[in-house]
Amino acid sequence: GAGVSQSPSNKVTEKGKDVELRCDPISGHTALYWYRQSLGQGLEFLIYFQGNSAPDKSGLPSDRFSAERTGGSVSTLTIQRTQQEDSAVYLCASSLDNTDTQYFGPGTRLTVL
Amino acid sequence: EDQVTQSPEALRLQEGESSSLNCSYTVSGLRGLFWYRQDPGKGPEFLFTLYSAGEEKEKERLKATLTKKESFLHITAPKPEDSATYLCAFSGNTGKLIFGQGTTLQVKP
Repeated sequence: GAGVSQSPSNKVTEKGKDVELRCDPISGHTALYWYRQSLGQGLEFLIYFQGNSAPDKSGLPSDRFSAERTGGSVSTLTIQRTQQEDSAVYLCASSLDNTDTQYFGPGTRLTVL
Repeated sequence: EDQVTQSPEALRLQEGESSSLNCSYTVSGLRGLFWYRQDPGKGPEFLFTLYSAGEEKEKERLKATLTKKESFLHITAPKPEDSATYLCAFSGNTGKLIFGQGTTLQVKP
């Protein structure tokens, strides 16, 4: 079946602009996670959704970062007033519930000039 | 503080030369220990989940084991296509994964 999909695959933006990254989880998966992978930082947790609510936002690095999930499916990660340090690969993962295996999408590579 | 450490950072093997990757962890409550494989430009691909000390799982040339403080990923007679970065992670309270820095494996023919 279809895996986790993310769009766009690549995004180049100018410092100060807002960006939106999209994640389509595997159908039927109630849990959805966003992670960030930077050179030298490894994979870092950003936010967790169970259904449409986000009980764990502890990994969001600043108030410029926000995310929402609608219909218990698609999620959007928004970064406002992008900075160069926001450049990274943003990965989305989904699982049946928060105790199950997480399956990752291919990621969105964000470059802030 | 919960953390996971992987070693070595990089490993070069000749084809057929078996070895092991290490993942040591200190966590307040382990809900699951995960191994993923990541190829350049792609998202992590799930390999194994281990839940309790003594548990072992195998898949082709890979075998994962778990003790109370560490996990090993054993690679038997590796092939060049096994070259990748191998990531270890444990599951936290909300199911979020806490990752190690990864081990980059290169297998030469």
